[in-house]
Amino acid sequence: AQSVSQHNHHVILSEAASLELGCNYSYGGTVNLFWYVQYPGQHLQLLLKYFSGDPLVKGIKGFEAEFIKSKFSFNLRKPSVQWSDTAEYFCALTSGGSYIPTFGRGTSLIVHP
Amino acid sequence: DTAVSQTPKYLVTQMGNDKSIKCEQNLGHDTMYWYKQDSKKFLKIMFSYNNKELIINETVPNRFSPKSPDKAHLNLHINSLELGDSAVYFCASSQTGNSYNEQFFGPGTRLTVL
Repeated sequence: AQSVSQHNHHVILSEAASLELGCNYSYGGTVNLFWYVQYPGQHLQLLLKYFSGDPLVKGIKGFEAEFIKSKFSFNLRKPSVQWSDTAEYFCALTSGGSYIPTFGRGTSLIVHP
Repeated sequence: DTAVSQTPKYLVTQMGNDKSIKCEQNLGHDTMYWYKQDSKKFLKIMFSYNNKELIINETVPNRFSPKSPDKAHLNLHINSLELGDSAVYFCASSQTGNSYNEQFFGPGTRLTVL
């Protein structure tokens, strides 16, 4: 069975600080990895995804994530956060055998102006 | 144009009632889903449905049932509502065939059971 772990449940930063949110997964085969963002009161939307090729993936709003296969990780990064980045961030995984995603528990990010 | 829409946005009801939430997608996707998000923001998949199969999360009570009149719609019916059903319910859709296709989510329905 596949699983996704997000160890940082709550992160509080000041504007302009750098961000790294952890995501680790458990699955022995080929994976596709996603980061979704949920702004307050809104629905989830895709930030970025990895399925093949360059392990460093760039997404919207200056976010990027790096797939490190040896560490089973797909951490999300942003060099300088803004107040508007305050949101819930979800890491998710699908595998070759299933299109149904497995979501992590989410990380709540609060950015103080 | 809204890609995935849900109605109603808010639903307040009494314990024991039966209610439905509607979902429509205009993306031409072949698979639709229902998720439950609890107060701690944990996202749990309830159902995955396309015209070939219904996959049910075995932890979902049988009081919950999806109904799909056509490919673009997947409604959620809930019988005998309980306090623990209070949550935000999200509908989503995706195009299967490739497991790297992302999901598109609706705006959510906040259900409050009194």
